[in-house]
Amino acid sequence: NAGVTQTPKFRILKIGQSMTLQCTQDMNHNYMYWYRQDPGMGLKLIYYSVGAGITDKGEVPNGYNVSRSTTEDFPLRLELAAPSQTSVYFCASSYRRNQDQYFGPGTRLLVL
Amino acid sequence: DAKTTQPPSMDCAEGRAANLPCNHSTISGNEYVYWYRQIHSQGPQYIIHGLKNNETNEMASLIITEDRKSSTLILPHATLRDTAVYYCIVRASSEAGNMLTFGGGTRLMVKP
Repeated sequence: NAGVTQTPKFRILKIGQSMTLQCTQDMNHNYMYWYRQDPGMGLKLIYYSVGAGITDKGEVPNGYNVSRSTTEDFPLRLELAAPSQTSVYFCASSYRRNQDQYFGPGTRLLVL
Repeated sequence: DAKTTQPPSMDCAEGRAANLPCNHSTISGNEYVYWYRQIHSQGPQYIIHGLKNNETNEMASLIITEDRKSSTLILPHATLRDTAVYYCIVRASSEAGNMLTFGGGTRLMVKP
């Protein structure tokens, strides 16, 4: 199993541009999550999904959108990039809500 | 979820045991103690979790005090590869519980 994979690894965006961060897991996990981590800080939950077709907001959802059309994929969309969205983004998955989560390697995003 | 308090940083000599403390004085009866770690530039990694009893796995041991107000993560023989930020998280076990919340953690530096 590849586990949780994320693409791209690194991206530079200009203010106002849009992009989609990809996340795929091959463990047949029901739950998937998107976190952001600012330098020197802990992780903050952006959005999560409890299964295909179901998504919900986390702690910091503003400026982001998600979709979950399949069990495997959980893309994160930034519509109008802002410098405040400069961060490292981690995707994670788990079989159940409160079981241990498996994390991807992260996507480093710089908005200039 | 209960709030946790961890020291911001600790040092440990290679080969010695690393003991990482966590205070969670407001923990409630249905809340578990989880430990994750994050090695530089990587996604967080699940280590161990427990409710009341001490737990041990291939990575670490978790000691929870009888009143459950604090716990200690023990890495029995720390190696340089154990240098990471360690997060102590307290959360409910039920499906209705809140999502994982990462605080600041403890930055463990293992020195030769």
